[in-house]
Amino acid sequence: DVKVTQSSRYLVKRTGEKVFLECVQDMDHENMFWYRQDPGLGLRLIYFSYDVKMKEKGDIPEGYSVSREKKERFSLILESASTNQTSMYLCASSFVTGGRETQYFGPGTRLLVL
Amino acid sequence: AQSVSQHNHHVILSEAASLELGCNYSYGGTVNLFWYVQYPGQHLQLLLKYFSGDPLVKGIKGFEAEFIKSKFSFNLRKPSVQWSDTAEYFCAVNDGQNFVFGPGTRLSVLP
Repeated sequence: DVKVTQSSRYLVKRTGEKVFLECVQDMDHENMFWYRQDPGLGLRLIYFSYDVKMKEKGDIPEGYSVSREKKERFSLILESASTNQTSMYLCASSFVTGGRETQYFGPGTRLLVL
Repeated sequence: AQSVSQHNHHVILSEAASLELGCNYSYGGTVNLFWYVQYPGQHLQLLLKYFSGDPLVKGIKGFEAEFIKSKFSFNLRKPSVQWSDTAEYFCAVNDGQNFVFGPGTRLSVLP
């Protein structure tokens, strides 16, 4: 089975702290994604990456950065956490074959910024 | 930019009622379409997906969805819901460059 793991299920940070959210997938997928999920707003794409060292902005990249130094790992960084970044963060990876893309999600990290 | 809308924010049904959740997207080209479900306290799970071929797609747990290209719609249906279908349902669209989710519809099924 494909496994997408996230480093923490729950995190509590203070305003202004630097926050790292780690995501690792074990199926050699090229594509990885970071989303945040908020009530009433659904899933929103923050950043995605289609290859090592490549990154593309999603719909809401402001206040975030990412790092993809290795194929299996995609990190989301909050340089200076703010209370409006309190959310559920979901990582996903995907592969494309025959024109079809299949996406797998991790369990999520619930971040609370005080 | 691609956008995805879902018709209802919250749907409340009694058990055995029929379900239809609406989903519309804005992109006019070739798309892949998905419905995901998130049960309380659990991960997102893929219910069904459409890439090509028969526009009526059957998924897990008795769900199906119909792609109507002329209406830019991909509505999710189930003929008879159960209490265990209580969850949040997300429609998503991949146009080859962006993977966009709708805002979600919360379904509450009353026993």
